[in-house]
Amino acid sequence: EVQLVESGGSLVQPGGSLKLSCVASGFTFSNYWMDWVRQTPGKSLEWIGEINTDGSKTNYAPSIKDRFTISRDNAKSTLYLQMSNVKSDDTAIYYCTRGFDYWGQGVMVTVSS
Amino acid sequence: DVVMTQTPPSLSVAIGQSVSISCKSSQSLVYSDGKTYLHWLLQSPGQSPKLLIYQVSNLGSGVPDRFSGTGSQKDFTLKISRVEAEDLGVYYCVQATHFPFTFGSGTKLEIK
Repeated sequence: EVQLVESGGSLVQPGGSLKLSCVASGFTFSNYWMDWVRQTPGKSLEWIGEINTDGSKTNYAPSIKDRFTISRDNAKSTLYLQMSNVKSDDTAIYYCTRGFDYWGQGVMVTVSS
Repeated sequence: DVVMTQTPPSLSVAIGQSVSISCKSSQSLVYSDGKTYLHWLLQSPGQSPKLLIYQVSNLGSGVPDRFSGTGSQKDFTLKISRVEAEDLGVYYCVQATHFPFTFGSGTKLEIK
């Protein structure tokens, strides 16, 4: 069974940093591109970015480029999202997804002083 | 960015009825490889999104064949035949042809 389990969500102050993790199981993690998507409270979904199978290539949404970094550790079957210089608009539920066909349960990030 | 316009924003249907949801994109979603990366998702209340349809018309794993997708270029439709209670939630279209990938604003399906 494919499972994606995010962790690392918390309350963070504006301008601060946070690193989210997503542990994958039930499939060969190193064979798949992976994405991060977020959902602001009561609103639609926003794609953050993606990473290729070996971690050598990433693509990002312009809204977060240069502030967020996606990486992966295939030996640990883990996807990461490093968030820096966070803003109140970054308050959302963050999901990792395997190309939109499987999704984690999401993790809440709240940016507030 | 590609704008995905979903209509209607909400629907209220009785069990057993059929419904259609429209998704129109501001640009053609045909990729250079000839495929169209338009997918449909369902987010049930309190749940993560789940893939229903991928590449316009292909059923996701375990998705009942009451769901079907059609369309091409910039105009796409999700049809649900014989709605069941478990179908309630918010339906999203998403395009993964052009960067950044973008989602529709969602269609909330309620059961009468």
